[in-house]
Amino acid sequence: DAGVTQSPTHLIKTRGQQVTLRCSPISGHKSVSWYQQVLGQGPQFIFQYYEKEERGRGNFPDRFSARQFPNYSSELNVNALLLGDSALYLCASSLQETSSYNEQFFGPGTRLTVL
Amino acid sequence: QKEVEQNSGPLSVPEGAIASLNCTYSDRVSQSFFWYRQYSGKSPELIMSIYSNGDKEDGRFTAQLNKASQYVSLLIRDSQPSDSATYLCGYYGQNFVFGPGTRLSVLP
Repeated sequence: DAGVTQSPTHLIKTRGQQVTLRCSPISGHKSVSWYQQVLGQGPQFIFQYYEKEERGRGNFPDRFSARQFPNYSSELNVNALLLGDSALYLCASSLQETSSYNEQFFGPGTRLTVL
Repeated sequence: QKEVEQNSGPLSVPEGAIASLNCTYSDRVSQSFFWYRQYSGKSPELIMSIYSNGDKEDGRFTAQLNKASQYVSLLIRDSQPSDSATYLCGYYGQNFVFGPGTRLSVLP
């Protein structure tokens, strides 16, 4: 079975631009979460979606938004890019709504560079 | 106090030795804890989850949880050079929270 997939693999943008990152969860998984990982740090939680509804949001500005589609795939949008948005963006899927006792599996990530 | 604290390392151990990775957390309500391994330039991969106090073993890996002390650890027996990676400790509170990771180097 295919794991979590993300696209694109790498992306280079300039300050002020907008970016859309995409994620497809493991087949049968209904929950998708997004994380930002800056070099040398652990992943920071951005959003969780389950059954197309937002179920959690981390401490990120409103420039960050996301949505989940009926096939459970998801998009993360970031507007008005800043240099500090340069990071590895990770998508993780889980079978059910993310909660205790529910393991998450990560995709390969999208490396975003903002110039 | 940071939510999850880990020694950033690097932790260096010789091949064949036991590597001990430690993690402390601040959220007393946390019920589930996870260890992920992340190779340089790659995404995290799940090694083990642990939910109850005590030890949980899976092959060369043993996770230990002590909720009273808010402490979770990961032991890697017979360490191999291929175990060289950053190990992330995380828990589920209101959402998933990860520590900064400990870099492990296994020397041949």
